[in-house]
Order: sequence, then structure tokens, then C-alpha cells
Amino acid sequence: DGGITQSPKYLFRKEGQNVTLSCEQNLNHDAMYWYRQDPGQGLRLIYYSQIVNDFQKGDIAEGYSVSREKKESFPLTVTSAQKNPTAFYLCASSPTGGSSEAFFGQGTRLTVV
Amino acid sequence: GENVEQHPSTLSVQEGDSAVIKCTYSDSASNYFPWYKQELGKRPQLIIDIRSNVGEKKDQRIAVTLNKTAKHFSLHITETQPEDSAVYFCAASYDDYKLSFGAGTTVTVRA
Repeated sequence: DGGITQSPKYLFRKEGQNVTLSCEQNLNHDAMYWYRQDPGQGLRLIYYSQIVNDFQKGDIAEGYSVSREKKESFPLTVTSAQKNPTAFYLCASSPTGGSSEAFFGQGTRLTVV
Repeated sequence: GENVEQHPSTLSVQEGDSAVIKCTYSDSASNYFPWYKQELGKRPQLIIDIRSNVGEKKDQRIAVTLNKTAKHFSLHITETQPEDSAVYFCAASYDDYKLSFGAGTTVTVRA
């Protein structure tokens, strides 16, 4: 199934290194999101973007950065400032915002050792 | 911001029985309430949603109810089947571009 693609599926990094997670969508959606999923905590919003060249912090933005240079792409960088980066990261997109269906990617599991 | 609480965290039901998951939200301005299902190893997918101008919505074996006064909404699954086993997330949108999710409910349907 296509639509929104995250890569890679699994990622291992050493502590102190920055790492970038890829998210691409071909749904022509304006809005894109990054969530972090931890056991027992649901999905927590890291960053979101309503349009190209604009993005906003979510609830847990510290230690993360994003860019939105193209409508199709919304990469997430996990920096060395993120104190607990090991998690499952989900990217999503929606046509017009939070009041419409969000389509999720398959996720990237990041492990920092 | 919005705070969504979801209960129970785990739910085990006999095949054919009903399952009910409840969520409460804190921001009275929230106006959109979707439910997502995440099967093991797969991405979350929308199964049903409801807007604040509607009290109940049904789609085959699933239904959602909304009580704006009490600020809670519930997911009802009837005649549960093994394929209903998954993690279910409720969410509330208090801003057109932000969804706040509950912690999730792991539903297990026993054959």
C-alpha cells in the first residue's frame, strides 16, 4: 500500500549522533505530522506542518527539528539534545488539517545505543 | 492544550460479545473525535469519527457516541470477531491542525 512512506523501517544510531527520518507522501495533502509512540502513552505530537515552508511545534518538540521544503516531504531530525530518543516514530498526512482523516506511514523504529 | 484520557488500557472479550472503550477530553472547544485502529506491526487507520454537532454515529458493527456536556465519547464494537483484536486510539481535535491522542486500549478477542 502506498500513499505515505517512511524510511527506513529500523534505524540504529550511537548516542550523541543526529539522525534524520524520512517521510514522503504522494497524496497531495497539505498537512503533515510527526508523532512519537511509546508503550502506554499513545501518540504524542512532535511537529506539524500546514503548508510548505511552514511548521509548528507540537507537544514534545524539544530535541527534534523538521523542514518542509516540498509538499511531499517532511523529514524529522532527532538531535543529540533529545534525551530519550529510542522510540517508534510515525509520520502522517491529512488533506486539510486535524479535522480530517490522518493517513499514517508504516513507522520507523529508532534505537539509540 | 487538550488532554485525552482513555479507559481501559486492556480489554479482553469473548468472541461475539461487545466491547466498549471510553475517552474523556478536557477542552470544550474540541470538535472532532476520531478513532484509530492499529493492528500488530501495522500503521494506525481511521475506523470511525464523529463531529461535535452529532451525538452518535454507526458503521456496521462499530459505533461512537459523544456527550459534549460530560466531555466524553465512547467506541462500541458489537459481535466482536478475532480480527477486531488490535490497539484502539481515541483522539480529539482542539485545533484544526492538532490531534491529541489517548494512550490506547489493547483489545483481545478470545475465540
